[in-house]
Amino acid sequence: DTGVSQDPRHKITKRGQNVTFRCDPISEHNRLYWYRQTLGQGPEFLTYFQNEAQLEKSRLLSDRFSAERPKGSFSTLEIQRTEQGDSAMYLCASSLNQGNTEAFFGQGTRLTVV
Amino acid sequence: GENVEQHPSTLSVQEGDSAVIKCTYSDSASNYFPWYKQELGKGPQLIIDIRSNVGEKKDQRIAVTLNKTAKHFSLHITETQPEDSAVYFCAAFRYSSASKIIFGSGTRLSIRP
Repeated sequence: DTGVSQDPRHKITKRGQNVTFRCDPISEHNRLYWYRQTLGQGPEFLTYFQNEAQLEKSRLLSDRFSAERPKGSFSTLEIQRTEQGDSAMYLCASSLNQGNTEAFFGQGTRLTVV
Repeated sequence: GENVEQHPSTLSVQEGDSAVIKCTYSDSASNYFPWYKQELGKGPQLIIDIRSNVGEKKDQRIAVTLNKTAKHFSLHITETQPEDSAVYFCAAFRYSSASKIIFGSGTRLSIRP
């Protein structure tokens, strides 16, 4: 296992289009997080799964955003009707939920909305 | 709401000197404090962490200190090297049944040769 994997690494889309990103966490990690990071800022929390259950969603996550983790393994983050303000790095992280709380991040998906 | 403040936002030190980055947190129930290093175009990489039952932790040239009473924690890098140049983020976390990691706004550390 080489760590958290995100796909694609880069995505350029036209305003109004839908995009979907995928995250494959570290094997057996049952917690999975999505964060968004804009230039010069720290990662901002979007949502969090424990196994397949989505336990928390940020107010940043408008109704255009949806995340799923159907089998408790990989997760997808979809943005509908993209806006220029959605341009950012989307980061995924995973961790165990058994006292070992280290969260490991993927390389991120950089979204540019033109 | 929960908040983590980080200072300074930029830091430039001479190679070989020490660098210190400071953070404060608002959620008194936070009990886990990781530090991440992020290089350009990459995701954050965990470099060291500290739990609330200890006041200090060291790993080679990197050390973290925690003052729970004041809700302060700091990252100390000694004998800085060019490869230490990066953006560093502090974070706070409450490992309860469901909790998110709250990040500071980051410190861009530059090491002058």
